[in-house]
Amino acid sequence: NAGVTQTPKFQVLKTGQSMTLQCAQDMNHEYMSWYRQDPGMGLRLIHYSVGAGITDQGEVPNGYNVSRSTTEDFPLRLLSAAPSQTSVYFCASTYLFTGASGYTFGSGTRLTVV
Amino acid sequence: TQLLEQSPQFLSIQEGENLTVYCNSSSVFSSLQWYRQEPGEGPVLLVTVVTGGEVKKLKRLTFQFGDARKDSSLHITAAQPGDTGLYLCAGLIQGAQKLVFGQGTRLTINP
Repeated sequence: NAGVTQTPKFQVLKTGQSMTLQCAQDMNHEYMSWYRQDPGMGLRLIHYSVGAGITDQGEVPNGYNVSRSTTEDFPLRLLSAAPSQTSVYFCASTYLFTGASGYTFGSGTRLTVV
Repeated sequence: TQLLEQSPQFLSIQEGENLTVYCNSSSVFSSLQWYRQEPGEGPVLLVTVVTGGEVKKLKRLTFQFGDARKDSSLHITAAQPGDTGLYLCAGLIQGAQKLVFGQGTRLTINP
């Protein structure tokens, strides 16, 4: 039972490079989301999706793109990396509209932009 | 501006002491969740509270949801070194499938 799988675990990028952070879940969750975690700021929502083909912006969407072609996968694309995007990125999923259902998180991708 | 204010942000106490972590907001949430995060890992759900005034207990941890569903607290009795970690509260915004987090409380229990 894999849960939420994120790859890669670590990545170093040069300013201006692009890359895709992968996220896959095997729990048939409708809802998937991306957060970034920075010291003293908790987790901030980047983008989220309530189902295949549907995505929406969170609190800090600038510089990131997402797509949801299948229920299982929700990749996050950095279009042109900037040092301000140095952070730890978490993917999370859950069932929709069940307020009592917690989120399942991946183990994170630590990204450094130099 | 942080939608959920968590306090304290850092807490270091001796084994056996009691502690309370607070999570406050001016917004109403449909549910409030508490997570614990270990270094190098993602947050793991401890509990979800849904009803105003609800109290849930998980061994030595007691979670309470405020009557107005705007705040919550986590109380740990007789803290142990194994309780060390980052504790995060998160509120599910009413009418929207968005979970917003507090800044976190980094708890250290000294033997």
